Amino acid sequence: QKEVEQNSGPLSVPEGAIASLNCTYSDRGSQSFFWYRQYSGKSPELIMFIYSNGDKEDGRFTAQLNKASQYVSLLIRDSQPSDSATYLCAVRDVSNAGKSTFGDGTTLTVKP
Amino acid sequence: DAGITQSPRHKVTETGTPVTLRCHQTENHRYMYWYRQDPGHGLRLIHYSYGVKDTDKGEVSDGYSVSRSKTEDFLLTLESATSSQTSVYFCANSPGLALTDTQYFGPGTRLTVL
Repeated sequence: QKEVEQNSGPLSVPEGAIASLNCTYSDRGSQSFFWYRQYSGKSPELIMFIYSNGDKEDGRFTAQLNKASQYVSLLIRDSQPSDSATYLCAVRDVSNAGKSTFGDGTTLTVKP
Repeated sequence: DAGITQSPRHKVTETGTPVTLRCHQTENHRYMYWYRQDPGHGLRLIHYSYGVKDTDKGEVSDGYSVSRSKTEDFLLTLESATSSQTSVYFCANSPGLALTDTQYFGPGTRLTVL
């Protein structure tokens, strides 16, 4: 079983809708969790990080963490065509040199 | 902004040749990482560094070596390139191990091994 699993894509939503991206992880020792956005041919760029149970909001983005269920999600409200990209979930173990394990990514397409 | 540059950005080489990729950071971040990304996959850790001359293996280290003689430079060497090492290589850095410390990525190097 892969250590970090993301919901298989591709995911397609209409402009203005809410996009929901999900991620589960297997290592209970994981401490911090990151969402990166990656446009085709570009490097990953950080969207949000979260390390406490609950919700964390930043503009149109909300990250949700449930450590008991080993689940982290990213909600994108009022989705825009510019949000079309691949979203990578990463789980970081700060007790192990900060090494991160990444999911395979979910490709999101927002249709005008 | 990671303040990371990678060189070269693109490289085509032949099987069996040695290849060195360079990662340079303008910050003084202690931690640096090399990842590879293959089509349809996330990033997989090759090697990482936690200080000058301090390096360790990641999950896909076979066929790769690294060196870090200065804080700002982290080199990845493919001893004898194989076609399976055709990939996009990303370097990343991080200031530390606080829960809020994130990894920032360089622009990547696209390597093709013929």
